[in-house]
Amino acid sequence: NAGVTQTPKFQVLKTGQSMTLQCAQDMNHEYMSWYRQDPGMGLRLIHYSVGAGITDQGEVPNGYNVSRSTTEDFPLRLLSAAPSQTSVYFCASSFSISTDTQYFGPGTRLTVL
Amino acid sequence: DAKTTQPNSMESNEEEPVHLPCNHSTISGTDYIHWYRQLPSQGPEYVIHGLTSNVNNRMASLAIAEDRKSSTLILHRATLRDAAVYYCILSSGTYKYIFGTGTRLKVLA
Repeated sequence: NAGVTQTPKFQVLKTGQSMTLQCAQDMNHEYMSWYRQDPGMGLRLIHYSVGAGITDQGEVPNGYNVSRSTTEDFPLRLLSAAPSQTSVYFCASSFSISTDTQYFGPGTRLTVL
Repeated sequence: DAKTTQPNSMESNEEEPVHLPCNHSTISGTDYIHWYRQLPSQGPEYVIHGLTSNVNNRMASLAIAEDRKSSTLILHRATLRDAAVYYCILSSGTYKYIFGTGTRLKVLA
């Protein structure tokens, strides 16, 4: 199993550009989520999904869109990048939220100029 | 969403036990207590979780207070590789997994 994979590892954008961060898992997990981590801070939940076709907002959803068309993939779209979105983005997955281990990807380091 | 409170930082000597505390006074009866750690430049990794009873695994032990308003992660013999930020998290029924700022553990050789 590859686990949770994220692409790209690094990305530099200009203000106003849009892009999609990719996340995939091969463990048949129903629950997937996106977090951002700013320097020196803990992780903050952006969006999450409890299964294909079902998504919901986390703590800091503004400026981001998600969709879940398959169990395996959960892309995060930045609609119009802003410098405040400079951060490290982590994707995670698990069978369930309450009782199971969450597996995290290696992260995508995004810089918005 | 239930919140957790942890000390910002702690230090330990190598080969000694470490007790990392977490307060969660607003925990609900169905919330599980999870611990994750984040090594430098990596994503978080699972350490341990529990509901009411104390739990042990190969990495650590979790001691949960009888009233469940606090818990303690115990690393039995700290090594330099255990230096990380440790997060105490409650899983809520709303599917939101809320991280706090965690405890930065420094292990001294």
